[in-house]
Amino acid sequence: LAKTTQPISMDSYEGQEVNITCSHNNIATNDYITWYQQFPSQGPRFIIQGYKTKVTNEVASLFIPADRKSSTLSLPRVSLSDTAVYYCLVGGKWTYKYIFGTGTRLKVLA
Amino acid sequence: NAGVTQTPKFQVLKTGQSMTLQCAQDMNHEYMSWYRQDPGMGLRLIHYSVGAGITDQGEVPNGYNVSRSTTEDFPLRLLSAAPSQTSVYFCASSYRGEAGANVLTFGAGSRLTVL
Repeated sequence: LAKTTQPISMDSYEGQEVNITCSHNNIATNDYITWYQQFPSQGPRFIIQGYKTKVTNEVASLFIPADRKSSTLSLPRVSLSDTAVYYCLVGGKWTYKYIFGTGTRLKVLA
Repeated sequence: NAGVTQTPKFQVLKTGQSMTLQCAQDMNHEYMSWYRQDPGMGLRLIHYSVGAGITDQGEVPNGYNVSRSTTEDFPLRLLSAAPSQTSVYFCASSYRGEAGANVLTFGAGSRLTVL
């Protein structure tokens, strides 16, 4: 299983773009990268998933360089409601033992 | 679909008591799992199941039992509760995302306090 490393915490101001990077040096060829968001007292919820290059959906973008040893979650124009913990997970189609790291605690300031 | 449903939402136990946390999903997901989350910490995998009749241990399985007799249900049993098991417990099931790998869907959590 690929181990992931993320910054423990980040602060940002409303309206800014936030980029959270995750390092996964031993990612396997068949692994995908998935990001989750967790608010206090709630279970994590899926944000975005990708394999390579760039993936974009209605809430975020995911950038994955060619060597795939890291990935960056980009949140455009954050608001106070984006204050949460963000986790990146690495695993393949047949990965079932998903291990969460400590995540990145994002605080958005007014 | 109701998604992943956990009961109870809150429970207080005394040391040595036993109880079962219930988890049910109505999405026909083969994979289900249990995590615990201590205050200010990340989630730790307790047990998981890849289908009815198949279970396996996660990172912190000691003190917990699971079984999977149906696709829908995955109960977590505490045989003899200890204060160290005070935590918030999350159940999850997974589906195959658009990109191709599994995506976890979580329940609302069960907050357990052991005195």
